[in-house]
Amino acid sequence: QMQLQESGPGLVKASETLSLTCDVTGDSITNYYWNWIRESPGKGLEWIGYVFHTGSVNYNPSLKSRVTMSMDTSRNQLSLRLTSVTAADTAVYYCASRWQLTTRSPGVFDIWGPGSVVTVSS
Amino acid sequence: QSALTQPASVSGSPGQSVTIPCSAPSTDAGAYNYVSWYQHHPGKAPKLLIYDVTYRPSGISNRFSGSKSANTASLTISGLQAEDEAVYYCNSYKSGSTVVVFGGGTKLTVL
Repeated sequence: QMQLQESGPGLVKASETLSLTCDVTGDSITNYYWNWIRESPGKGLEWIGYVFHTGSVNYNPSLKSRVTMSMDTSRNQLSLRLTSVTAADTAVYYCASRWQLTTRSPGVFDIWGPGSVVTVSS
Repeated sequence: QSALTQPASVSGSPGQSVTIPCSAPSTDAGAYNYVSWYQHHPGKAPKLLIYDVTYRPSGISNRFSGSKSANTASLTISGLQAEDEAVYYCNSYKSGSTVVVFGGGTKLTVL
């Protein structure tokens, strides 16, 4: 059974860089596309982007200039960096993937981590 | 503002059925063909209920069903139960793109 666990600093100062990791256990991260998704207060869910072990990435155009996703296959770990954060980046951040289902859709996520709360302070 | 429009809230009594619509812009009719639905309880990770419009993952109750007509996908929850009270999100992607978009979410209240 694969399990995901996000971690990172709960508090980030405005204009600084948010860094999160997602530890994956139970399977190799090289088998799947890995997504980051966030939920902001009052804004709902927002897809941030995905990364694949080949280095292929695809980011939400609204965040593309500030986002970097990467993978460390030796640690079976994903990383998310978001630069120049503002209060609007305050959210719960999730890593998620399509794990056991077959579909053409890139928007199917059947496994999620519990989420990591990030608050941006001024 | 999301490309997928959902009502902010719906409500129903236990045992009843409710339907939550998710509409794509009429100018993009036919462009959003792969719709998924998620249930989100506060403090928990979202849970996939429906994918590819009508398919239920293993372990999801058959009280949850999906459909699509023209540019509107719908999630129907039958036999409402108290534990169904949650926020429901649709998502999809536009044909020719790999950018995933979520609807704004619908808060379901079980009266």
